[in-house]
Amino acid sequence: NAGVTQTPKFQVLKTGQSMTLQCAQDMNHEYMSWYRQDPGMGLRLIHYSVGAGITDQGEVPNGYNVSRSTTEDFPLRLLSAAPSQTSVYFCASSYKDRGYEQYFGPGTRLTVT
Amino acid sequence: GENVEQHPSTLSVQEGDSAVIKCTYSDSASNYFPWYKQELGKGPQLIIDIRSNVGEKKDQRIAVTLNKTAKHFSLHITETQPEDSAVYFCAASSHTGFQKLVFGTGTRLLVSP
Repeated sequence: NAGVTQTPKFQVLKTGQSMTLQCAQDMNHEYMSWYRQDPGMGLRLIHYSVGAGITDQGEVPNGYNVSRSTTEDFPLRLLSAAPSQTSVYFCASSYKDRGYEQYFGPGTRLTVT
Repeated sequence: GENVEQHPSTLSVQEGDSAVIKCTYSDSASNYFPWYKQELGKGPQLIIDIRSNVGEKKDQRIAVTLNKTAKHFSLHITETQPEDSAVYFCAASSHTGFQKLVFGTGTRLLVSP
């Protein structure tokens, strides 16, 4: 199993540009989530999904959209990037039979200039 | 909402010493407390977790203790090794099912040979 994969690893955007951060998992996990990590602030939940077709907001959802059309994929969309969205983004997946333990991907480092 | 505080922000120890990282939480309904290790350039990885019906849990050189009355929990690493050097995050959640984790701000542990 590849686990949780994220692409791209690095990305530089100009203010106002849009882009999609990709996340995929091959463990058939029902739950998936997106976090952002900023210096001195730990990880904060952006959006999450409890199954295909079901998404909900986390702690810091503004400026981000998500969808979950398949169990495997959970893309994160930035519609109009802002410098405040400069961060490292992590995708995670989990499932009930492992006590909802979250498995994290390697992250995407995004810089918005 | 939940707030998790973590101390210290940095911790330097000699190889073979013990290391203790402490976290406090605010929501008395929180019932799940995981600890994650993040190595440079990688995503966080679960190293140990504890639920509110248990006061202590051990896994080889790692242990976690929970004091529900005082609302704090701690990570203990004994016989530290250079490969223990990393950033450690505590987290808390009050949800059943999908865990909407609230993270602490992290502790950078440096183990010197």
